[in-house]
Amino acid sequence: DARVTQTPRDKVTEMGQEVTMRCQPILGHNTVFWYRQTMKQGLELLAYFRNRAPLDDSGMPKDRFSAEMPDATLATLKIQPSEPRDSAVYFCASGLRTGLAGVVTQYFGPGTRLLVL
Amino acid sequence: GQSLEQPSEVTAVEGAIVQINCTYQTSGFYGLSWYQQHDGGAPTFLSYNALDGLEETGRFSSFLSRSDSYGYLLLQELQMKDSASYFCASGAGSYQLTFGKGTKLSVIP
Repeated sequence: DARVTQTPRDKVTEMGQEVTMRCQPILGHNTVFWYRQTMKQGLELLAYFRNRAPLDDSGMPKDRFSAEMPDATLATLKIQPSEPRDSAVYFCASGLRTGLAGVVTQYFGPGTRLLVL
Repeated sequence: GQSLEQPSEVTAVEGAIVQINCTYQTSGFYGLSWYQQHDGGAPTFLSYNALDGLEETGRFSSFLSRSDSYGYLLLQELQMKDSASYFCASGAGSYQLTFGKGTKLSVIP
């Protein structure tokens, strides 16, 4: 049963430290998404890739966040330096197009729960 | 931009039927999707409507009216395990999804 995997599952860090989150998409999926979820803002799209190329990262604070996909089996999201307001659950999802004109059905990983003190 | 509105909370009795509505405003529209998320879990895909009408998958059905910019998720024969948050989502482009804030469904005995 193919699944998206994310590491770490939980991360507690101090303000100012670098945080790196990793995601392994489902083999064969050509789109990868990064989301942030908080009680206040809900599920927000940070960035997404198609065939490893970044298509849109307009939802991401560029001064501290960066997203990369060094190969087809690994996507990373980095925060440097981290701040308390970055505390959230970060989800990675990989996608597969549904039908010829359909949207991509997204398969979410279990998330990384980040707490910045 | 994209904007989706759905009720924040709904409570229903086990065995009953519940409908969760979603209205949207989009510049460009690529259909309406529904996702389920249990507390502490990840969103999981439930259904997708590209065209007007009803899509049925077991106890769950989803409806779309593009002329009314409206859709709903219908859950029948409610079970306790259906207690979760349900998100509608629409695509500005075929890859990108914007999610609503979610509806927390509580199923009571």
